[in-house]
Amino acid sequence: DVKVTQSSRYLVKRTGEKVFLECVQDMDHENMFWYRQDPGLGLRLIYFSYDVKMKEKGDIPEGYSVSREKKERFSLILESASTNQTSMYLCASSLPTNRATKAFFGQGTRLTVV
Amino acid sequence: QQQVKQSPQSLIVQKGGISIINCAYENTAFDYFPWYQQFPGKGPALLIAIRPDVSEKKEGRFTISFNKSAKQFSLHIMDSQPGDSATYFCAASTGAGSYQLTFGKGTKLSVIP
Repeated sequence: DVKVTQSSRYLVKRTGEKVFLECVQDMDHENMFWYRQDPGLGLRLIYFSYDVKMKEKGDIPEGYSVSREKKERFSLILESASTNQTSMYLCASSLPTNRATKAFFGQGTRLTVV
Repeated sequence: QQQVKQSPQSLIVQKGGISIINCAYENTAFDYFPWYQQFPGKGPALLIAIRPDVSEKKEGRFTISFNKSAKQFSLHIMDSQPGDSATYFCAASTGAGSYQLTFGKGTKLSVIP
């Protein structure tokens, strides 16, 4: 089975801090995604990557950046955390043929910015 | 602009009953409609998906009904069980080759004994 592992289940950070959320997948998937999940808003795509060092903006990239130096690892960076970035963050990966439609998700990181 | 509208927000069903969750979309370019199931503390997982060339797809107790002219699709869970209690998300994309999934806001299903 595909395993997508997010480094932290819970994080509490202060406003203005630089925050790194790490995601690793073990199935050699080309595609990786970062979503944000908020109650009543569903899942919204922040960034995705279809290859090492490649990245594309999703629907809500403002305030975020990403890094993909290795195929198995995709990092989400909050350059200067703000309280409106308090949310559940979900990482996902998929094969090239399935892209977003058969994405395997990690368990999520619940980030609280105080 | 919300492109996929999902209802209801929450749903309580008796064990053995039928759970029905509805979604409507606006973008006629959408041609792939997956449903994801999310248990508390877990990430979403693909449950079932349909393309608009068929009106219905069934996998076990889960059925998607699709109405292309009305731009609506729904998930039916037959013989609902307490283990089905989860949040369900409908989604849409412009095909399996798309990187982008547009999700509905989710439906929290509770199946009571």
